Amino acid sequence: SQQGEEDPQALSIQEGENATMNCSYKTSINNLQWYRQNSGRGLVHLILIRSNEREKHSGRLRVTLDTSKKSSSLLITASRAADTASYFCARSGGGADGLTFGKGTHLIIQP
Amino acid sequence: EAGVAQSPRYKIIEKRQSVAFWCNPISGHATLYWYQQILGQGPKLLIQFQNNGVVDDSQLPKDRFSAERLKGVDSTLKIQPAKLEDSAVYLCASSLVFYYEQYFGPGTRLTVT
Repeated sequence: SQQGEEDPQALSIQEGENATMNCSYKTSINNLQWYRQNSGRGLVHLILIRSNEREKHSGRLRVTLDTSKKSSSLLITASRAADTASYFCARSGGGADGLTFGKGTHLIIQP
Repeated sequence: EAGVAQSPRYKIIEKRQSVAFWCNPISGHATLYWYQQILGQGPKLLIQFQNNGVVDDSQLPKDRFSAERLKGVDSTLKIQPAKLEDSAVYLCASSLVFYYEQYFGPGTRLTVT
């Protein structure tokens, strides 16, 4: 079953604007990961945030985690056309757990 | 560093036929995963291996799906017999340890007619 739920399901913004997408999950996590998927490069890991972390940055990406609300957000700043893709959050419970993916947010960057 | 390799990239079969997918993980990655991704959804874990042992296959439809990982490296996923609802992209991934970042292959797009 898919436990993560991304919001919104689809997002269209102008190039240069910031994009924010949210993820909610239902059970406890060891870490939460964000992945990007497009037709050119397949599914690619973007960033991992551990359950004891609140915020993490990687280049133009900023991820926050609120374990009390069981939610996370991904912010992409200064968006580019190449950021057009589907973005998935994936929950890891730790141990031998595999990843549980959400349904994704489809992001379109308009030139 | 070479990525995760998968073949074939595309496969079209008729229902009730059988099909097999192959995956070669990143060298040194002990953990290997197979996911099924139906159009418009996120990947769903089917099975995961640690070396050549199965760690979790709770979401694998065992009446028709099977997977093996001989010698703890390459892996094959088989469907026999295929159903229309098996049409999806089958993704293979590998990682150094269970719950950290995973590296995905390009996937095999299966169409069952």
